Amino acid sequence: ETGVTQTPRHLVMGMTNKKSLKCEQHLGHNAMYWYKQSAKKPLELMFVYNFKEQTENNSVPSRFSPECPNSSHLFLHLHTLQPEDSALYLCASSQDPGGAGSPLHFGNGTRLTVT
Amino acid sequence: GIQVEQSPPDLILQEGANSTLRCNFSDSVNNLQWFHQNPWGQLINLFYIPSGTKQNGRLSATTVATERYSLLYISSSQTTDSGVYFCAASQTGANNLFFGTGTRLTVIP
Repeated sequence: ETGVTQTPRHLVMGMTNKKSLKCEQHLGHNAMYWYKQSAKKPLELMFVYNFKEQTENNSVPSRFSPECPNSSHLFLHLHTLQPEDSALYLCASSQDPGGAGSPLHFGNGTRLTVT
Repeated sequence: GIQVEQSPPDLILQEGANSTLRCNFSDSVNNLQWFHQNPWGQLINLFYIPSGTKQNGRLSATTVATERYSLLYISSSQTTDSGVYFCAASQTGANNLFFGTGTRLTVIP
């Protein structure tokens, strides 16, 4: 298996549920990212992990909780979400820490709907 | 952060036509990338091009960092080129890649 894999592809959850998004990269990269894509808005960076250490939290509400157990795996734990959190959540990875000097590779995304 | 503006916002082409997409950015950059998002949401990295010119098949890109813009050329367009094209940039010394709002391309047969 190659590239960046995200599961699940689609998720519907109620506002009181707890769920997790999973991302795995098979590229040997050192940095992983969570992005949020909402309708009519540019992609927004949420979190950055370099060598499994969080280096950026872009003022994301605490109802989103990332976890990076190693350089290949990234999770986004969700709890007490709001309907406005419905969006496409994209995981990405890059070779260089911080992504400044190397291409970004994205997974297929998880389409999240909060009811 | 850096401002990234793309034009045009929407573009409709006849199959076989050529097109140029533009990306302007507000500050000096150390990282400029072009992506294609297909109708199923998959984002594919097309070019990593902080400066200069690169070509990959029918696609090519040029970044003129001193004038703060980048261009993506699509030649002999095909229906499979349809989707949204994003430009993203980060400032020198920063890690955050800022995305533009994209150009939605529709290629009709």
